[in-house]
Amino acid sequence: NAGVTQTPKFQVLKTGQSMTLQCAQDMNHNSMYWYRQDPGMGLRLIYYSASEGTTDKGEVPNGYNVSRLNKREFSLRLESAAPSQTSVYFCASSEATPQRLGTQYFGPGTRLLVL
Amino acid sequence: AQTVTQSQPEMSVQEAETVTLSCTYDTSESNYYLFWYKQPPSRQMILVIRQEAYKQQNATENRFSVNFQKAAKSFSLKISDSQLGDTAMYFCAFMKPGPWEGSQGNLIFGKGTKLSVKP
Repeated sequence: NAGVTQTPKFQVLKTGQSMTLQCAQDMNHNSMYWYRQDPGMGLRLIYYSASEGTTDKGEVPNGYNVSRLNKREFSLRLESAAPSQTSVYFCASSEATPQRLGTQYFGPGTRLLVL
Repeated sequence: AQTVTQSQPEMSVQEAETVTLSCTYDTSESNYYLFWYKQPPSRQMILVIRQEAYKQQNATENRFSVNFQKAAKSFSLKISDSQLGDTAMYFCAFMKPGPWEGSQGNLIFGKGTKLSVKP
């Protein structure tokens, strides 16, 4: 049981390049999330997927797209990277059981540097 | 819109002592959930404790306990017998239920408190 996994762990991009961050969970959770973490800003929600086949914008969606490939996988795509997207990106999935409703489990993060 | 405020950017405590981290939130909801997450230097986000707003009893998890004051919209975290491994960023988070029964809303995080435990 690996929990939530993310690839890659670290990536350097040049401005204008594109890339996809991959996320997978093996806990059979319906809901999945993408956050970015910047110094002094806490975690901010980029996109989320309440269930397979649905995606919605969070607080800071501009410059990103997502795909909920199946129940396990939720990817985040940067079509044309900008230096402002330099950040640490976290994927999470969440419990829906009544006793633990809302509890989110996080991946180890992807550190992205855009030059 | 809901907001979460952590007014202490940094704190330090001596090993074996007790420390309390503050969190306040703003909401008009009556039913919601509150969380404390820990982020050690490894960057992994780890759930520390969860509180359901309709439960008056304060949640506890071993050395971690909360003081939940619903009327004051306050949700502080107390760490007893602090250990070196408690050194981390601590994030308070709020979640309101989703639009239908059993569904969930999104987590709203505070900006965090950096806790250093000194030997």
